[in-house]
Amino acid sequence: KAGVTQTPRYLIKTRGQQVTLSCSPISGHRSVSWYQQTPGQGLQFLFEYFSETQRNKGNFPGRFSGRQFSNSRSEMNVSTLELGDSALYLCASSLAGTSVDEQFFGPGTRLTVL
Amino acid sequence: AQSVTQLDSQVPVFEEAPVELRCNYSSSVSVYLFWYVQYPNQGLQLLLKYLSGSTLVESINGFEAEFNKSQTSFHLRKPSVHISDTAKYFCAGARRAGSYQLTFGKGTKLSVIP
Repeated sequence: KAGVTQTPRYLIKTRGQQVTLSCSPISGHRSVSWYQQTPGQGLQFLFEYFSETQRNKGNFPGRFSGRQFSNSRSEMNVSTLELGDSALYLCASSLAGTSVDEQFFGPGTRLTVL
Repeated sequence: AQSVTQLDSQVPVFEEAPVELRCNYSSSVSVYLFWYVQYPNQGLQLLLKYLSGSTLVESINGFEAEFNKSQTSFHLRKPSVHISDTAKYFCAGARRAGSYQLTFGKGTKLSVIP
């Protein structure tokens, strides 16, 4: 069974640009969560999608948005990039997104903002 | 609000020596607790989890963690570490009710010295 895949793996952008990251969950998984990982703040929850609906959102500005498609694939978008958005963005999928489900993480997308 | 604290940012230990990585949580409601491991340039992998029942949980590669409600702790232990255990370890918690959102500690970098 294929794991969680994220594309692209590496991305370099400049301030003010926007970026779209993609996540393909494990087949059959309907919940997709996104996390931002930085050396200073650690891992922080961005949002979670289930059946194309955003169910939960972390404490990030509106520049961070996401969506989920009918095949459970998810994208996250960051507009008007800032230097502080440089981070590893991790996507995780689970069957139903409940607390007892195991979350499987992808390898992440390393975003560098210059 | 729920929070997870990992007291040590780095733990160096000699090969075949025992190790304990500390984790404390605070929450006004019951929680589920997890330990994840992150190898260089990879995503997170679930090491073990506590949902309910026995307070001592074990992983397949020799790690164990004990849920201690009175001390609000979930420390990770291994009696004898190997070079291959060198990685960053994250403790995380999730609320028992409500939609799924992991709250992570800042992580502990375990360095095994040959």
